[in-house]
Amino acid sequence: GQQVMQIPQYQHVQEGEDFTTYCNSSTTLSNIQWYKQRPGGHPVFLIQLVKSGEVKKQKRLTFQFGEAKKNSSLHITATQTTDVGTYFCAGLPSGTGNTGKLIFGQGTTLQVKP
Amino acid sequence: DGGITQSPKYLFRKEGQNVTLSCEQNLNHDAMYWYRQDPGQGLRLIYYSQIVNDFQKGDIAEGYSVSREKKESFPLTVTSAQKNPTAFYLCASSMGTALYEQYFGPGTRLTVT
Repeated sequence: GQQVMQIPQYQHVQEGEDFTTYCNSSTTLSNIQWYKQRPGGHPVFLIQLVKSGEVKKQKRLTFQFGEAKKNSSLHITATQTTDVGTYFCAGLPSGTGNTGKLIFGQGTTLQVKP
Repeated sequence: DGGITQSPKYLFRKEGQNVTLSCEQNLNHDAMYWYRQDPGQGLRLIYYSQIVNDFQKGDIAEGYSVSREKKESFPLTVTSAQKNPTAFYLCASSMGTALYEQYFGPGTRLTVT
């Protein structure tokens, strides 16, 4: 079936280091959404990308949607302890229209050592 | 104060009992979703509803049931047929299709012994 894979599953970084998580789909996606879940919390929407090759920035976070609309990345520059959590990508397979549902990746859990 | 609420936060049940998890939203969203999250895992879709009185099975619907009699409410029943019900259950809502962002509730952690 349709799958969205995220790598790595876990990442430990020293505060101040950069971090990147990658999201790869087996099929073309209409969109890609990114969510952050703090430990013990619930996912919170960060951003949506819909155009091929799209790049969006939110302060230290940079989101990219691949040219083929099958992959995406989230890059955090100079991590801080507030960045700790699990980052999920989710996409809607192209062609599924109004009846389609988002497929979530397994998430990347980021730990930041102060 | 708009949002999506789930209750209770923690729930304990004995094996063989059905249990219903509550989800309410006052965001006037058409679509609502139930996900299950296991430790170290992503979100798996149980059921979703895009309109009142209609709902569809997600990827892991076996052992679960839902109803959508009101726009604001989408309760989930975990039946005794669900073989491994202990998990963190998240409810979400969105304005419409999967092209809209989803707003998640705080979740219910269900433990069945």
